[in-house]
Amino acid sequence: DTEVTQTPKHLVMGMTNKKSLKCEQHMGHRAMYWYKQKAKKPPELMFVYSYEKLSINESVPSRFSPECPNSSLLNLHLHALQPEDSALYLCASSQDRTGDTQYFGPGTRLTVL
Amino acid sequence: RKEVEQDPGPFNVPEGATVAFNCTYSNSASQSFFWYRQDCRKEPKLLMSVYSSGNEDGRFTAQLNRASQYISLLIRDSKLSDSATYLCVVNTNGQNFVFGPGTRLSVLP
Repeated sequence: DTEVTQTPKHLVMGMTNKKSLKCEQHMGHRAMYWYKQKAKKPPELMFVYSYEKLSINESVPSRFSPECPNSSLLNLHLHALQPEDSALYLCASSQDRTGDTQYFGPGTRLTVL
Repeated sequence: RKEVEQDPGPFNVPEGATVAFNCTYSNSASQSFFWYRQDCRKEPKLLMSVYSSGNEDGRFTAQLNRASQYISLLIRDSKLSDSATYLCVVNTNGQNFVFGPGTRLSVLP
């Protein structure tokens, strides 16, 4: 089973709201990733968790706050977002960070009003 | 120079055609290479990993030239369902997976 699940599928929020995106995998993968993808652009890496520790933060604004409660779950907490943060947010996992294949979830399409 | 570059596209080809995509990467320490496809408004899905000796999966053939830092994907007998954006992905020393900008393919009836 190479499934990564994400909830919600769609999210509309105002600039003052607080919301969270959730990602789950049960493949025993120890690396999990958040990407942001704008229309007609490739995914851009935001965060990497390796063995439940944040290992890469690609200079993402603090209004995005990742959390890895355990090896199967990855959250992205959102607060005070801007309209330009509207995008598809993709979660991925891989066996570890040494070059193994990444498997992507279906994404959460976020609209910030 | 961007870390991973791809043919700008789009490619519009008739059904049954053979089409080739090219990708170059700038970091000579890169160790693993992949082709993903992404349908409109969907997530990227792994098409195939790319091995040093080259590899084939049905109608798809991937090649790696480490000396030229070049990766290719060949699709033979293209189908309508092959229409998608093809993303070249490079991983360096277990660090970030870096995506190329993608090449869009439209297979026409």
